[in-house]
Amino acid sequence: QVQLVQSGAEVKKPGASVRVSCKASGYNFASYAIHWVRQAPGQGPEWMGWINPGDGSTKFSQSFQDRVIFSRDASASAVSVEMSGLRDDDTAVYYCVRAKPYFDGSRYTFYFDFWGQGTQVTVSS
Amino acid sequence: IVLTQSPDTLSLSPGERATLSCRATQTITRSNLAWYQQTPGQAPRLLIYGASSRATGIPDRFSGSGSGTDFTLTISRLEPEDSAVYFCHQYGTSPQTFGQGTKVEIK
Repeated sequence: QVQLVQSGAEVKKPGASVRVSCKASGYNFASYAIHWVRQAPGQGPEWMGWINPGDGSTKFSQSFQDRVIFSRDASASAVSVEMSGLRDDDTAVYYCVRAKPYFDGSRYTFYFDFWGQGTQVTVSS
Repeated sequence: IVLTQSPDTLSLSPGERATLSCRATQTITRSNLAWYQQTPGQAPRLLIYGASSRATGIPDRFSGSGSGTDFTLTISRLEPEDSAVYFCHQYGTSPQTFGQGTKVEIK
């Protein structure tokens, strides 16, 4: 069965960096993009961007493109996100999600069919 | 695209019908809209994609409808385990965006 297993909770000080990893299993790792989504307390999710595990290509939300790096380790079927310059408002649960292709009659788009369990990142001085 | 969900909270009894709304500030192209269910401390679970297609294993009491800027998630006969927060998500236009959620409480 499809599983995305994320690394454990992190506590960081403002200005620091954090790395969250996500290990995939139960499907062909290279065939599905992995997106990163975060959810601050009491709010709706926020999309951060994606990585194509097959070729390593990436795309970022403009809100994060200056502070975030996505990477992948194909041999381990794992992806990671590294965020720098952490601020208090980066406190959130960070999720990796698998993107399922959807043909809408004109082109392929991608919804999220499987989510990791989430990683709590707390930024506090 | 900003997604606004209403109501913020819905409090209903088991067996009743729940109607959740998701309104977009721009047309969502070709029904590229999904709904997710999230219980406390858990990751969201996919319910509906393509505005009206149920995901694998989702009971048929969950249905989605709508097009353009107005979409609806209907839970036809509420069960106690449906107590959760429900989010809509548009994935047709970058950046992808989510609604703020509707909390469904079972009396």
